[in-house]
Amino acid sequence: ETGVTQTPRHLVMGMTNKKSLKCEQHLGHNAMYWYKQSAKKPLELMFVYNFKEQTENNSVPSRFSPECPNSSHLFLHLHTLQPEDSALYLCASSQGTGVRDQPQHFGDGTRLSIL
Amino acid sequence: DQQVKQNSPSLSVQEGRISILNCDYTNSMFDYFLWYKKYPAEGPTFLISISSIKDKNEDGRFTVFLNKSAKHLSLHIVPSQPGDSAVYFCAASANAGNMLTFGGGTRLMVKP
Repeated sequence: ETGVTQTPRHLVMGMTNKKSLKCEQHLGHNAMYWYKQSAKKPLELMFVYNFKEQTENNSVPSRFSPECPNSSHLFLHLHTLQPEDSALYLCASSQGTGVRDQPQHFGDGTRLSIL
Repeated sequence: DQQVKQNSPSLSVQEGRISILNCDYTNSMFDYFLWYKKYPAEGPTFLISISSIKDKNEDGRFTVFLNKSAKHLSLHIVPSQPGDSAVYFCAASANAGNMLTFGGGTRLMVKP
């Protein structure tokens, strides 16, 4: 198993649909993250979970709803998205809550397209 | 306004020569910096990092230089290899925390 696995790799959905992105890490890490990368823009941090508790919400609209049931799994629930939400969504994990503990390890992302 | 900027969207280098990728930041609270490499259809992978207490960190062919007064860091790859062709992202952290701010990336192409 690779370190951080994201499913699905590609997702096309209408604006009224509800879908979920899944992330699973097999590294024994305690922190997990969601990032968004829109076309021609830098990666933007969306959410941070440390030891299953959400510690950061970077002003993300409520149509994105994260869930972290345990330290190995992270979900991003999507509902009534807008076309500008089309992007690459990356999940990452790290050993601890400080960047010096261990660098963040990224999954390969989910390419999301909103019709 | 972007706090971390990579002003060169692309760079082309001949195999065997040095590649220099640059990154500028504006937030003086940043005290830890990282470089990530990203191949198409893959997630970013960590390459090298540097703390603000240092001005240089070296790992094999990769060296990162930090100039705090100029709020500038650079990644040197020498010698460059075709397999180094990828997008390189600079990232910064304040108080060595786990919230990273990324630059927009530089696409490096190493020609055989």
